[in-house]
Amino acid sequence: GAVVSQHPSWVICKSGTSVKIECRSLDFQATTMFWYRQFPKQSLMLMATSNEGSKATYEQGVEKDKFLINHASLTLSTLTVTSAHPEDSSFYICSAREELLRYTFGSGTRLTVV
Amino acid sequence: AQSVTQLDSHVSVSEGTPVLLRCNYSSSYSPSLFWYVQHPNKGLQLLLKYTSAATLVKGINGFEAEFKKSETSFHLTKPSAHMSDAAEYFCVVSTGTASKLTFGTGTRLQVTL
Repeated sequence: GAVVSQHPSWVICKSGTSVKIECRSLDFQATTMFWYRQFPKQSLMLMATSNEGSKATYEQGVEKDKFLINHASLTLSTLTVTSAHPEDSSFYICSAREELLRYTFGSGTRLTVV
Repeated sequence: AQSVTQLDSHVSVSEGTPVLLRCNYSSSYSPSLFWYVQHPNKGLQLLLKYTSAATLVKGINGFEAEFKKSETSFHLTKPSAHMSDAAEYFCVVSTGTASKLTFGTGTRLQVTL
């Protein structure tokens, strides 16, 4: 079946630094990828929709200058958390859409900012 | 606009007994509905999805769900719970051409001996 690889699975960084998270579709091409944020014991909140070769579409309330998304190829999207602060600590999950109504999720990245 | 409401934040069942996780949806258009399962610190795995075909949908690991338009419900069931079913379950809706997914708040399923 379709596989989405997300790296790293966990990362600890110092406040003020930037962190990049990668999301790769391993055996299919994904023109659209999604980035979610999940707080402890809460649901997934869509942050942005990433389309290959174009600018990402951010959900209301998500700072595009803080959460930089790049979707340079049909198999790779990256999320960069810039100037991270402790409140950015969270579980980030990506999803790739293989075809209409067929989504595959990455295994998530636990970000801790200290 | 679209939304889903998971009526129970936590459900506890004994191993071998039936599971019922409730979900109601709201959608302006014909919805597609999904159930996903998430184990701790893991991504999401698709259990099943409804896309306007048969209203009774069978998924993996013995789970199934029935789409009831009159009740705007899409409850998830399993005849006999197993310890490995303990996880967080999300009901998800998608409508429109953007096909963005909207997640419910999740139901934590606990399975006891």
